Amino acid sequence: GQQVMQIPQYQHVQEGEDFTTYCNSSTTLSNIQWYKQRPGGHPVFLIQLVKSGEVKKQKRLTFQFGEAKKNSSLHITATQTTDVGTYFCAGPQNYGQNFVFGPGTRLSVLP
Amino acid sequence: SQTIHQWPATLVQPVGSPLSLECTVEGTSNPNLYWYRQAAGRGLQLLFYSVGIGQISSEVPQNLSASRPQDRQFILSSKKLLLSDSGFYLCAWSLGGSGNTIYFGEGSWLTVV
Repeated sequence: GQQVMQIPQYQHVQEGEDFTTYCNSSTTLSNIQWYKQRPGGHPVFLIQLVKSGEVKKQKRLTFQFGEAKKNSSLHITATQTTDVGTYFCAGPQNYGQNFVFGPGTRLSVLP
Repeated sequence: SQTIHQWPATLVQPVGSPLSLECTVEGTSNPNLYWYRQAAGRGLQLLFYSVGIGQISSEVPQNLSASRPQDRQFILSSKKLLLSDSGFYLCAWSLGGSGNTIYFGEGSWLTVV
């Protein structure tokens, strides 16, 4: 079945450094979504990418969807302690009946 | 606007006891509903999803079950809990169709002792 992988599993950065997490799907996706889960919290929707090669920005966060619509990345510029959490990518499955989530990348930011 | 509620937020249950977690969605009709489990520090494991009343799809065989007695109500149950059932349980909803996003409840922490 469809699989979604993410690397790295963990990332520790010093505050102010940049951070990137990569997401790869075994199949072409109609869209890809990113979620953030703060420690002790629930995943919260960040953004959805639909078009091949699409790039979207949210302040210090830059999201990119690959040309083949099988991979995506999330880049954070100048990390802050508020960026701490686990970042998940997800793609629809079964015509949107359910979603396949990557295993997540846990980001730690040292002040 | 749409909201999702799940309860209880935390519970500690002995091995072999029953379980019932409840989730309701407000502000939308005929949502897709989901139960996920997340072990400590791990990813999201889809347990069940439902596209309509009485329609339940199970992703992982186990001693848990789900029911959808009403359009916006989703219940996760177990007759006898195992230690391995401990974890963070998340209810979620989405609208049908691959272009929609999924929204999570605040989660329920279950510790089986």
